[in-house]
Amino acid sequence: QKEVEQNSGPLSVPEGAIASLNCTYSDRVSQSFFWYRQYSGKSPELIMSIYSNGDKEDGRFTAQLNKASQYVSLLIRDSQPSDSATYLCAVWGSGTYKYIFGTGTRLKVLA
Amino acid sequence: EAGVAQSPRYKIIEKRQSVAFWCNPISGHATLYWYQQILGQGPKLLIQFQNNGVVDDSQLPKDRFSAERLKGVDSTLKIQPAKLEDSAVYLCASSLEGVNTGELFFGEGSRLTVL
Repeated sequence: QKEVEQNSGPLSVPEGAIASLNCTYSDRVSQSFFWYRQYSGKSPELIMSIYSNGDKEDGRFTAQLNKASQYVSLLIRDSQPSDSATYLCAVWGSGTYKYIFGTGTRLKVLA
Repeated sequence: EAGVAQSPRYKIIEKRQSVAFWCNPISGHATLYWYQQILGQGPKLLIQFQNNGVVDDSQLPKDRFSAERLKGVDSTLKIQPAKLEDSAVYLCASSLEGVNTGELFFGEGSRLTVL
């Protein structure tokens, strides 16, 4: 079982729609969860972090965490073509002290 | 504030040759990471340093890869001898906090092509 799993996509949504990206992780003692955006040919950049169960909103982005289900998601409201990128889920846990990335989900927002 | 610096940006070598990548993290960042990102995949952690000590190198192919962090600042990742499957982008990242939480700041990456 992979430590951090994501659907590779591509996930295609029309402009203005909500994009929903999902991630599951295997280490139950994971404590910190991150979403990075990576444009083609560029390095990842952080867009959201979440540390406790529930929702965290920042502008058009909402991160959701459910530790019992070992599940974290990212919602992007009013999706724009500029949101087209690969979204990487990352997890850090005190059990391993490792900062692990998933394979990423490629999002395409269609104009 | 200067970002994470990496060099070279691009490198093309033949298999069995050697290559070295250099990384200078953001000033004051204690933790430094080297990731390997193969096209279409997520970043794979190769080695993680806390100051000049190794926190994790469990996925570093030690028969051909080596890394060091001099005086807890700059770091060098070396591959010798290179294989075709080493073709990837090598990303260096640093973080302000210790071995735990927080944002990673990435350099622009070093793209390696092994022929």
